[in-house]
Amino acid sequence: DIQMTQSPSTLSASVGDRVTITCRASQSISSWLAWYQQKPGKAPKLLIYKASSLESGVPSRFSGSGSGTEFTLTINSLQPDDFATYYCQQYHSDSRTFGQGTKVEIK
Amino acid sequence: QVQLQESGPRLVKPSQTLSLTCTVSGGSISSGGYSWCWIRQHPGKGLEWIGYIYNSGNAFYNPSLKSRVSLSVDTSKNQFSLRLNSVTVADTAVYYCARELNYWGQGTLVTVSS
Repeated sequence: DIQMTQSPSTLSASVGDRVTITCRASQSISSWLAWYQQKPGKAPKLLIYKASSLESGVPSRFSGSGSGTEFTLTINSLQPDDFATYYCQQYHSDSRTFGQGTKVEIK
Repeated sequence: QVQLQESGPRLVKPSQTLSLTCTVSGGSISSGGYSWCWIRQHPGKGLEWIGYIYNSGNAFYNPSLKSRVSLSVDTSKNQFSLRLNSVTVADTAVYYCARELNYWGQGTLVTVSS
């Protein structure tokens, strides 16, 4: 199995902050990485696919970068609607795996 | 717009089989090379990928669940299904179906309890 490790587990930030979340894969996954946002009681929502491609309808303050084993999700100018939990997921191998999640809290 | 809806028993007894069906609307499960997935989330925890299946019936499973999981697809009904055998209380979770990566069902809480 490919292990996905996110950091930090929790992040406290203020509206307007720039936020960066890191996801590391235990082996190379090329660019086969997605980022999701999940709010309580809701299904995850796709933000980024193929490491850096923005899903249609997602605000441009969200961006993704990286390849191989190191990836980042950046939120520029954090908005009140962005306080949520974020997950990375690799889809390089037939056995998909998620990161453990990063909760973005209000500071 | 593709929509997915999970259905099935919300309460399952220990040692029995959990069965859920995902009905797809707004698009054909037969078209495209999409993977149709099941993911679960234990209460207050992160996401766990269970497996996915293609419209051909070719399926891939989480190695940790492989011995107990079976996925199937019914293209005539535009549905795909999950069966999880020999459940325990540890299988209590919200179960999501999805079209990888961008269309998800709302999720259904399945409780394993006697």
